[in-house]
Amino acid sequence: EPEVTQTPSHQVTQMGQEVILRCVPISNHLYFYWYRQILGQKVEFLVSFYNNEISEKSEIFDDQFSVERPDGSNFTLKIRSTKLEDSAMYFCARSSPGANVLTFGAGSRLTVL
Amino acid sequence: ILNVEQSPQSLHVQEGDSTNFTCSFPSSNFYALHWYRWETAKSPEALFVMTLNGDEKKKGRISATLNTKEGYSYLYIKGSQPEDSATYLCAPGDSSASKIIFGSGTRLSIRP
Repeated sequence: EPEVTQTPSHQVTQMGQEVILRCVPISNHLYFYWYRQILGQKVEFLVSFYNNEISEKSEIFDDQFSVERPDGSNFTLKIRSTKLEDSAMYFCARSSPGANVLTFGAGSRLTVL
Repeated sequence: ILNVEQSPQSLHVQEGDSTNFTCSFPSSNFYALHWYRWETAKSPEALFVMTLNGDEKKKGRISATLNTKEGYSYLYIKGSQPEDSATYLCAPGDSSASKIIFGSGTRLSIRP
């Protein structure tokens, strides 16, 4: 199966700016997930996405966050107005139905100044 | 949300020694238990997915056991090597795979 590619690998942004993190490839037959890891803390579940809609989301995934499938191949995580505490490594992952094994991308490091 | 706990939080082991650590999870409504290895500067990598009580899985020097009735899994590493240094994460998953929640992990350091 294809690997998961994330872009950008590192983004530095000013507080209050919008950020879009991208994950490819995407297929209708897979679950996709976003996780984040704030430095020194555990890996936290944000949201899962299946068949063009959100399947589950955590309490972290508030109105500042959204996920989209803008062009059929990318899976994006958007943070509308970044806060300092959004600084973290964001991981995209996918799994195949039935297998339930996650394959992670290399991550996107977001630094909010 | 499934509450999962891992212990110890960190572990320092001499090269060549064997070690093990624990993942505890609620035994009710159990479906599957995942183990992942997360090396520094890399992304988490799947080791095992376990579903049956009493199941034991092995991958090289690493093995894992599962007790779904009491809600725990052990991960064993035999003859630790420097390349085993990583954070080991466990995660209970539900039948839909829509929500896989990770524990805080056990950070393993191997001393040469």
